[in-house]
Amino acid sequence: SQTIHQWPATLVQPVGSPLSLECTVEGTSNPNLYWYRQAAGRGLQLLFYSVGIGQISSEVPQNLSASRPQDRQFILSSKKLLLSDSGFYLCAWSVTGVVSGSSGEQFFGPGTRLTVL
Amino acid sequence: AQSVTQPDIHITVSEGASLELRCNYSYGATPYLFWYVQSPGQGLQLLLKYFSGDTLVQGIKGFEAEFKRSQSSFNLRKPSVHWSDAAEYFCAVASNQGGKLIFGQGTELSVKP
Repeated sequence: SQTIHQWPATLVQPVGSPLSLECTVEGTSNPNLYWYRQAAGRGLQLLFYSVGIGQISSEVPQNLSASRPQDRQFILSSKKLLLSDSGFYLCAWSVTGVVSGSSGEQFFGPGTRLTVL
Repeated sequence: AQSVTQPDIHITVSEGASLELRCNYSYGATPYLFWYVQSPGQGLQLLLKYFSGDTLVQGIKGFEAEFKRSQSSFNLRKPSVHWSDAAEYFCAVASNQGGKLIFGQGTELSVKP
């Protein structure tokens, strides 16, 4: 079966410090991968998605970047954190392309709570 | 443009009462629709999905949802709510762009004892 991991679970960082959040998926190959952010009391904002190694699409201009160095690894980074980067970060995966029985559902990791002070 | 609207930001129901969470979508073709649940501090869990066939779909934890094309709705229901159902619920539609999902803003459910 497929599993998705995120770490760290929680992180407290000072303003201006760098950031690296990691997401890995097991049990599937060539997944689509996604990074979302939830600010307090708000819905999900899609930050980045990737359809393959080295292929990253950014949804919103911001202080963050993403990379996919391996098929099942997705990394969210920042060189200098801002207060506004605080939030709950979720990684998700879905099956690539049109696959029999797939309707595009995404499967989410447990999330990382980031607090920038 | 594709969109999902969840009109109720917060709903409170008594334990044992029935529940209906509303979701309206805007999509040109036959939509793929989803309901997710998020407990505090957790990731999202898929409750159920619709992409074809029977318009009444059954999900996990005793939830069901009905797809009504004429009303562009996909409302989530449960006949008897349990205290453990208190959570945030998100409705989503599959975008026609690159496997993305478009999420509603969520409905927070509180359950009174």
